[in-house]
Amino acid sequence: DTEVTQTPKHLVMGMTNKKSLKCEQHMGHRAMYWYKQKAKKPPELMFVYSYEKLSINESVPSRFSPECPNSSLLNLHLHALQPEDSALYLCASSQGGASGARGTQYFGPGTRLTVL
Amino acid sequence: GQNIDQPTEMTATEGAIVQINCTYQTSGFNGLFWYQQHAGEAPTFLSYNVLDGLEEKGRFSSFLSRSKGYSYLLLKELQMKDSASYLCAVRDMGKSSGDKLTFGTGTRLAVRP
Repeated sequence: DTEVTQTPKHLVMGMTNKKSLKCEQHMGHRAMYWYKQKAKKPPELMFVYSYEKLSINESVPSRFSPECPNSSLLNLHLHALQPEDSALYLCASSQGGASGARGTQYFGPGTRLTVL
Repeated sequence: GQNIDQPTEMTATEGAIVQINCTYQTSGFNGLFWYQQHAGEAPTFLSYNVLDGLEEKGRFSSFLSRSKGYSYLLLKELQMKDSASYLCAVRDMGKSSGDKLTFGTGTRLAVRP
């Protein structure tokens, strides 16, 4: 089973709203990731959690706030977003710190976010 | 950092073979991945290379030359459902990088009847 789930599938929010994206995996993976993907562009890494600790923040604006409540869950809290933040937000997980194919990242279906 | 290049678009005929190239320049290298992504969907893992040579998986094969900073994905017996974007991604396991994966720009493949 290589399933990563994400909710919601679609989200429309205003610039003053606060919302959260959720990601879950039950593969026992210890690394989880948030990516942002604009149309016809590759995914761009935002955050990496390794063993429930934030290990990489790719200089993401503070209006995006990640949280890892436990090893299976990853949240992305959104506040005061801008229209240019509209994108597909992808969550991924991997075995974490693993070399070889064991470190393969598996992606969830994404949340399509529209900021009005 | 990483610099990864792929052709933007390719077209091929159903039943044919297509090769999608990827070149990279990296400060640290710990493996190269190929993903397939259909429009509006998540990337799905296709293959992994860390040593030089060819890895074969059914209709898909991937090749790596570390000295040349070069990889390709070979798709045989093309089917219409293979129309998708193909993403080359390099993993950097430098001390400050954790499990960082950097993606190339992606190649949009159109398979024609």
